[in-house]
Amino acid sequence: DAGVIQSPRHEVTEMGQEVTLRCKPISGHNSLFWYRQTMMRGLELLIYFNNNVPIDDSGMPEDRFSAKMPNASFSTLKIQPSEPRDSAVYFCASRPGQGANTEAFFGQGTRLTVV
Amino acid sequence: AQSVTQLGSHVSVSEGALVLLRCNYSSSVPPYLFWYVQYPNQGLQLLLKYTTGATLVKGINGFEAEFKKSETSFHLTKPSAHMSDAAEYFCAVSRANQAGTALIFGKGTTLSVSS
Repeated sequence: DAGVIQSPRHEVTEMGQEVTLRCKPISGHNSLFWYRQTMMRGLELLIYFNNNVPIDDSGMPEDRFSAKMPNASFSTLKIQPSEPRDSAVYFCASRPGQGANTEAFFGQGTRLTVV
Repeated sequence: AQSVTQLGSHVSVSEGALVLLRCNYSSSVPPYLFWYVQYPNQGLQLLLKYTTGATLVKGINGFEAEFKKSETSFHLTKPSAHMSDAAEYFCAVSRANQAGTALIFGKGTTLSVSS
C-alpha cells in the first residue's frame, strides 16, 4: 500500500485566498484524522471522521476551517479565507477500525504558508 | 479526559549514551499509549505502543518503553544513541469518549545526538 497520500506537499498562498488540502487514506481504514503542527502549539487534532462521518470537530479553530469526507478514499480540509496565522504543517492520518488500541498512520504532511 | 505531558522539549546526548525521553499521562481509564518519531520534513512513524499485557514494550530501532501505572509514566529509552536517532519524538494517548477515539499528542521532544 502507498500509505496515506496528501497533496500538495507545499502550498504558498496570499492572505484571503481559499486553500484546499487533500488526503487519500489507506484503503480499508475507516477512521481519518486531520492534525495541525506548529512550533507553538505542537500537534493539534482538528477533526476526525469514522466511516466518512465527522465525529469530533471541536478542534477546528474557526468557521474559516471546514473538512469533508465524501467517500472512504478522499478527504479535504478547506480554509477560506486564509490568514498568515494559519501557516503550519497539516497532517492527515488514518486508522483501521475504531479501536483505541490501534495506531494511526500519517501522511507526509502539507506545509502551508500564508503570506 | 486523557492527556500526555512530555518533560523536556529538547534532549541532547552523545553518541553511545543512554537515551531517556519522559512522558506522563493522565487518564481515568486504563490508557493506550504510543510513541511516534518524526524525522525532518516527514510524517510521524510509530515506534511502539502499549495496549495491554507486558508493561515493557519493545519497538523499532532498539527503542523500548515501560508502562508504570503507579507513576502514570511511559518513558522511552534506548541503551545506546546513534546519530540517526536525531529526530522529534511524540508521546500519545488514545482518547476515548462518547464521540469515539482519537490520538492526542504531547508537545514533542527534540533529540539531538552529538559525535
